[in-house]
Amino acid sequence: DGGITQSPKYLFRKEGQNVTLSCEQNLNHDAMYWYRQDPGQGLRLIYYSQIVNDFQKGDIAEGYSVSREKKESFPLTVTSAQKNPTAFYLCASSIPGLNSPLHFGNGTRLTVT
Amino acid sequence: EDKVVQSPLSLVVHEGDTVTLNCSYEVTNFRSLLWYKQEKKAPTFLFMLTSSGIEKKSGRLSSILDKKELFSILNITATQTGDSAVYLCAVEGQGAQKLVFGQGTRLTINP
Repeated sequence: DGGITQSPKYLFRKEGQNVTLSCEQNLNHDAMYWYRQDPGQGLRLIYYSQIVNDFQKGDIAEGYSVSREKKESFPLTVTSAQKNPTAFYLCASSIPGLNSPLHFGNGTRLTVT
Repeated sequence: EDKVVQSPLSLVVHEGDTVTLNCSYEVTNFRSLLWYKQEKKAPTFLFMLTSSGIEKKSGRLSSILDKKELFSILNITATQTGDSAVYLCAVEGQGAQKLVFGQGTRLTINP
C-alpha cells in the first residue's frame, strides 16, 4: 500500500537541542511539503520541494532546515533557533502541476520543554 | 498575500442536522480550492473545486465554488457522529505550487 510515513509519532526534547523529523513516501511523488499545525491557526507551510536536490522556503521557514537527497525522503530539522517549536508537524506529497491533492502523513507531535 | 478564512471556527449540532461550512479566500491567479477532513492525525482529501457553480458531491457531503464572490461552502446532510472532525479549506494560486490553508472549522456532532 502506498503512503507517507512520518516518525516518530511523539517526540520530546529539551530546549536548545536540534531534532530531526522523518518523512518517507512510496507514492513516487515528486513534490513534498512540511506543514506546522497550531491550535486555531490551520496549517502553515515551512518548506517544500518540487524535485530532488531542490527546495524552497515556505511562510515560516526560520529556525527550520530540510534536505531532499532522495525522492522518497524529506527530513525536517527543527533547530534551537526556532522560538516556539512545540507543535504538530505534517508532511505531505503530491504530483506537481496536475491539480492533484496533497496526501498527508499521520504527523509528528513535538514537545520541547 | 494569499489568505483563506473559514467560518464558523467551531460548530456543535445534533445528529441528523444539516450543516454548512464556509470558506472565503483571496488569492493571486486562483487555480483550485480543496476541502480536507481531519479527525485525529492526517487530513484526508474530500473535494477539489476549480470551476464556478459546479457542485461536487460524495454521499452526504457536497461542495460548491463561487469564483465571482470568492467563496466555497461545504454541506453535510443527515450528520452522523463520525462526521465530527476539523474541516480544512485550502486554495492554490497559479504558479504558486503550494496550498494556503484556512484555520479550520471544528465540527462536533452530538448523538
